[in-house]
Amino acid sequence: ETGVTQSPTHLIKTRGQQVTLRCSSQSGHNTVSWYQQALGQGPQFIFQYYREEENGRGNFPPRFSGLQFPNYSSELNVNALELDDSALYLCASSLEPGRNTIYFGEGSWLTVV
Amino acid sequence: GQQVMQIPQYQHVQEGEDFTTYCNSSTTLSNIQWYKQRPGGHPVFLIQLVKSGEVKKQKRLTFQFGEAKKNSSLHITATQTTDVGTYFCAESGNQFYFGTGTSLTVIP
Repeated sequence: ETGVTQSPTHLIKTRGQQVTLRCSSQSGHNTVSWYQQALGQGPQFIFQYYREEENGRGNFPPRFSGLQFPNYSSELNVNALELDDSALYLCASSLEPGRNTIYFGEGSWLTVV
Repeated sequence: GQQVMQIPQYQHVQEGEDFTTYCNSSTTLSNIQWYKQRPGGHPVFLIQLVKSGEVKKQKRLTFQFGEAKKNSSLHITATQTTDVGTYFCAESGNQFYFGTGTSLTVIP
């Protein structure tokens, strides 16, 4: 158990819809990162939030957006879903940005049909 | 952006054989972390290497960081069926760049 929880665990959406995924970070961790992992691929960095501010972004279009709340939990929002957005979305928390170990949640499996 | 390559992509070994995965970068890495992801699971942190030439051991696992900090390796001695999974290296900075992963299958 990493103390990082994500919801929902599985969901199916239709192309063009919007989705919100949620993550509760490990207690005491102020940094949350989101990753997209397609089947058979490594996790791809989407963005990171540190103390409620975006602190880095990977090569993902603006329809991928996020939030971090005062309790350091986080949301990932994806608008105008495309079939290629089907993937495992992983949230990870860490004490601070940088070199600290990151702890992953179980992930949210998104299928876009 | 940063790209960390791993080889091989897949490896099948007989139980009891050794296994090695290599992680290579075209640029100097500030540090390297290794993760294991079981089928259907999420990545789990194994170890972090920071110093040039660093070697760390965890039971049957040996991790090395290259002298030039551009490569790293994970070696498993006498594999067991519990070692099955995909092993990722990752550079951690403000962002984490994960390698492409090596999927290990252990044949009983």
